[in-house]
Amino acid sequence: EAAVTQSPRNKVAVTGGKVTLSCNQTNNHNNMYWYRQDTGHGLRLIHYSYGAGSTEKGDIPDGYKASRPSQENFSLILELATPSQTSVYFCASGERRANTGQLYFGEGSKLTVL
Amino acid sequence: GEQVEQLPSSLIVQEGASVLINCSYTDSASVYFPWYKQEPGKRLQFIIDIRSNMERKQTQRLTLLFDKKTKHLSLHITATQPGDSAIYFCSASSRIFFGDGTQLVVKP
Repeated sequence: EAAVTQSPRNKVAVTGGKVTLSCNQTNNHNNMYWYRQDTGHGLRLIHYSYGAGSTEKGDIPDGYKASRPSQENFSLILELATPSQTSVYFCASGERRANTGQLYFGEGSKLTVL
Repeated sequence: GEQVEQLPSSLIVQEGASVLINCSYTDSASVYFPWYKQEPGKRLQFIIDIRSNMERKQTQRLTLLFDKKTKHLSLHITATQPGDSAIYFCSASSRIFFGDGTQLVVKP
């Protein structure tokens, strides 16, 4: 079964601080995604990647950067965290470039920005 | 961009009842529609999918119907159990958009 692991699982940050959320997948999937989940908004796509060295903007990229240094790792970076970025963040991976296959999700990272 | 709408936003039923969750999308380019289940505090897990060249797919107690003309999907869950209590998400393939989810509560 696809394995996607996120760290940290819980994080409390201060406004203006830098936060890095990390995601690792062990199934050699090309595609990786970062979503945030807020009550009433479902999952919203922040950034995604089609492979090492590539990152693409999703629907709500403002205030976030992404990094894909290798096939296995995909990070989400908040350079200057704000309280509005308090949320649960999910990483996912998938193996089909044309987005025609299921995604495998991590367990989520709960971020609180004070 | 693509929009995915899901109704209802919540459902409360007695164990054994059947439920219907509706989903509509806007982008004709979407060809693949996976559904996911999220139990409280857990990750999303894939439960069923359908491709745009199909009208119906069934697995165990789940039946997924697809109408390409109206851009509409329906997930039917029969003989519900308390373990089915979760948030159910519809998604569409073009850039993997998600609906807002349907919170299902099955009372024993």
